[in-house]
Amino acid sequence: QVQLKESGPGLVQPSQTLSLTCTVSGFSLTNYNVHWVRQPTGKGLEWMGVIWTGGSTDYNSALKSRLSISRDTSKSQVFLKMNSLQTEDIATYYCARDDNNYFDYWGQGVLVTVSS
Amino acid sequence: DTVLTQSPALAVSPGERVTISCRASESVSTLMHWYQQKPGQQPTLLIYLASNLESGVPARFSGSGSGTDFTLTIDPVEADDTATYYCQQSWNDWTFGGGTKLELK
Repeated sequence: QVQLKESGPGLVQPSQTLSLTCTVSGFSLTNYNVHWVRQPTGKGLEWMGVIWTGGSTDYNSALKSRLSISRDTSKSQVFLKMNSLQTEDIATYYCARDDNNYFDYWGQGVLVTVSS
Repeated sequence: DTVLTQSPALAVSPGERVTISCRASESVSTLMHWYQQKPGQQPTLLIYLASNLESGVPARFSGSGSGTDFTLTIDPVEADDTATYYCQQSWNDWTFGGGTKLELK
């Protein structure tokens, strides 16, 4: 069955780089786009970016200067890297599968805290 | 950016009909989708392309609208529907509404 699972450090120091991995199963990254979405605790959802089936990417303009999404299709993994982390980046980070531009499967999310 | 505005929190009694609205700052055709999120859980897809019910979602949920005005309807509401509901557009990149928190009386 389709599954997505986020992993990565739960704590990042201010100004440092966040690195997260989304490991997928039940589908191929060459057939489905994968997005990253984040949610500050108690607040709404923010779309961050997408990696398309062909490997190209698009980013939220508000995050574009700090964000990078890549993948390893052989390992069924999608990677998120975001630099210069600040307290406003504290959130739960989700990856989600794109089926015709809507998100039909989501990972469970990983909470990231920014603190020294 | 396409901004989505949702109705604020709602409180209804079980068995009633509830409509949750979402207004887009520009036309998104029918590229509007709805998600349910319960506390501590990831969002789940309810309605895609404005009016299509996702597989496995109860028929009590329905969606309508096109252009800039969209509605999610739950009829009848059940206790398990307590959650926050988000609209999302995919016409111009992707953006989410601020969410509507549904509480049951």
